[in-house]
Amino acid sequence: EVHLVESGGGFVQPGGSLRLSCAASGFTSSSYAMSWVRQAPGKGLEWVSTISGSGGSTDYADSVKGRFTISRDNSKNTLYLQMNSLRAEDTAVYYCAKVVGTTGGGVDYWGQGTLVTVSS
Amino acid sequence: QVVLTQSPSASASLGASVKLTCTLSSGHSSYAIAWHQQQPEKGPRFLMKLNSDGSHSKGDGIPDRFSGSSSGAERYLTISSLQSEDETDYYCQTWVTGIQVFGGGTKLTVL
Repeated sequence: EVHLVESGGGFVQPGGSLRLSCAASGFTSSSYAMSWVRQAPGKGLEWVSTISGSGGSTDYADSVKGRFTISRDNSKNTLYLQMNSLRAEDTAVYYCAKVVGTTGGGVDYWGQGTLVTVSS
Repeated sequence: QVVLTQSPSASASLGASVKLTCTLSSGHSSYAIAWHQQQPEKGPRFLMKLNSDGSHSKGDGIPDRFSGSSSGAERYLTISSLQSEDETDYYCQTWVTGIQVFGGGTKLTVL
């Protein structure tokens, strides 16, 4: 059974940094791309970033490009999102998501999310 | 850039059926999509992948009450025998390799 468990969320001031983690189980990590998707309070889902199964290819939404870095450690079955230069508009629940393919595709499993609050 | 359009809200009566629509932007009518359900305060749940020919593959444990169909640039999610727990948010999603695109979501009310 696939399980995705996010951690690392919290309260941070504007301009600060935070690192999210997602522990994956129930599938061979390196065989699937992984994504981060966020949801601001009361809003819809917004794609943030995707990393290929090998970690060799990454994509970012324009809203986070240059500030966020996605990475993975397949030996630990863990996905990361390093968030720097955080802004108030980055406040959201961040979901880890498993993608159906090695390099991309739709999402077929979701985590429960971790809340990031950026405020002074 | 592909865009997905969903009606913000829909409603149907308990026990009836409802058809939610997701529309692909011009030039992208061949794209497959995925439907996701999100209960309040919970992570989304994958319902199904829906292809342009209407074929679909559902996620683990998704009841037969949920089905998908396609027509041109429209992708549909039909929920039959509506239950109270179906009253929640539904999102469609598509992708271009690693780039994910989400529709704005439809809030379904069960009357």
